Amino acid sequence: DAKTTQPTSMDCAEGRAANLPCNHSTISGNEYVYWYRQIHSQGPQYIIHGLKNNETNEMASLIITEDRKSSTLILPHATLRDTAVYYCIALYNFGNEKLTFGTGTRLTIIP
Amino acid sequence: NAGVTQTPKFQVLKTGQSMTLQCAQDMNHNSMYWYRQDPGMGLRLIYYSASEGTTDKGEVPNGYNVSRLNKREFSLRLESAAPSQTSVYFCASSNRGLWNFGPGTRLTVT
Repeated sequence: DAKTTQPTSMDCAEGRAANLPCNHSTISGNEYVYWYRQIHSQGPQYIIHGLKNNETNEMASLIITEDRKSSTLILPHATLRDTAVYYCIALYNFGNEKLTFGTGTRLTIIP
Repeated sequence: NAGVTQTPKFQVLKTGQSMTLQCAQDMNHNSMYWYRQDPGMGLRLIYYSASEGTTDKGEVPNGYNVSRLNKREFSLRLESAAPSQTSVYFCASSNRGLWNFGPGTRLTVT
């Protein structure tokens, strides 16, 4: 699985859009970009994933650059409950893959 | 659906004691995993099971054993607990790229 690089920490004002970047310059053509988050003391929670096209769901949007070497997770209207560690992961999803976590980005939403 | 459930939620052991952490999922997923998370650190994979009857080591398997009892259940056993195993243990299951995690077991070894 390709290595991903994320900033260690970020702050965002409540109500504003939180934009979390991720670099995955060695990603292969069949690897998806996944985002999970972990709110304090809880198990990680799936947010969104994508391969090439931008994706949106009720939680967030995922913007993947055309060369697929980087992506951005967007939380459109951040709330205090979005304070968490956010993990960007590149992997195949053919089944039975091992999900491995890096250190992620600690996002703090400021009131 | 309950998703992924883990028991117990909390446990305190003395060094050298043994215990089994239980995990069950009701989503008919083939793959199941055990992770540990030390304070301020990321999750590290202990063992995983790609399907019923198979298990494989992850990053940090030493000191642990696992059993994939059936498709639903995947247990983690500490035969002789050590203080270095004080951690939060998360069980997970997956199907085609989507992982569901349990609430965690907080284990303290004194």
